[in-house]
Amino acid sequence: DTAVSQTPKYLVTQMGNDKSIKCEQNLGHDTMYWYKQDSKKFLKIMFSYNNKELIINETVPNRFSPKSPDKAHLNLHINSLELGDSAVYFCASSPTYEQPQHFGDGTRLSIL
Amino acid sequence: RKEVEQDPGPFNVPEGATVAFNCTYSNSASQSFFWYRQDCRKEPKLLMSVYSSGNEDGRFTAQLNRASQYISLLIRDSKLSDSATYLCVVNGGSSASKIIFGSGTRLSIRP
Repeated sequence: DTAVSQTPKYLVTQMGNDKSIKCEQNLGHDTMYWYKQDSKKFLKIMFSYNNKELIINETVPNRFSPKSPDKAHLNLHINSLELGDSAVYFCASSPTYEQPQHFGDGTRLSIL
Repeated sequence: RKEVEQDPGPFNVPEGATVAFNCTYSNSASQSFFWYRQDCRKEPKLLMSVYSSGNEDGRFTAQLNRASQYISLLIRDSKLSDSATYLCVVNGGSSASKIIFGSGTRLSIRP
C-alpha cells in the first residue's frame, strides 16, 4: 500500500501548456506539501496545506496553484509551462508541521 | 549566511569506515531537526529525527548542538548500501514556511 502516491511519474510536455500533478496520501495526515527539486538537487518547499490553511512560498510564480479537494489530496496545477519548470516535483505529508514527512516518489517534469 | 548549510561532499570512504557530517543552521529558534537520505532518482526518506539529548539508531547517531547551531550525523561501520545523499532538515516553527532542507551531502562507500 503506497502511503503517498503521485501521478504521473513522468510528464513531458510543450512550453506554454497547462498541466496537473495529482497527489494522494492514505496516512491520515493533516498536512500536505509540494516541493520542487531542480537539476542542482536543491529541494525547495513550494506549498503546504493544513486544515484549509494554505501557505505559499513567496518565490513560487502564481502560474503554480495547489488544489485540495479533501484532506487526503493536494494536486498541483501549472499554467503556461516554461523551460525553467523542468524539475522533479515531490508531494509529501506529515501529521503536523513539526513532524517528519513522508514523500511520494516524484513526478519528473520535462518541458520541450 | 544560508539558513541551512551542509558540506556537499562527495565523501568517498571505504566500507567499514566511520563518517560524520555536520549541518549548520541560522535560526536559533529552530524547533525540530531531521536527517533524510535520498538515493539517486528517488524520493527523500526519513533516516532519523534528532533529539536534544542525541539519539542512536543502530549504526547511526544524531547529535544536536544548540549553542553552536548545528546537527550532526555519524555513521559507523559503513556499508555499501549507505551510499546516498544525506539531507538535513531544520524546522524553525509551527509553519511550513519555516521548514528548510539542506542541499545535501553526497556519500559514496567504496568496497
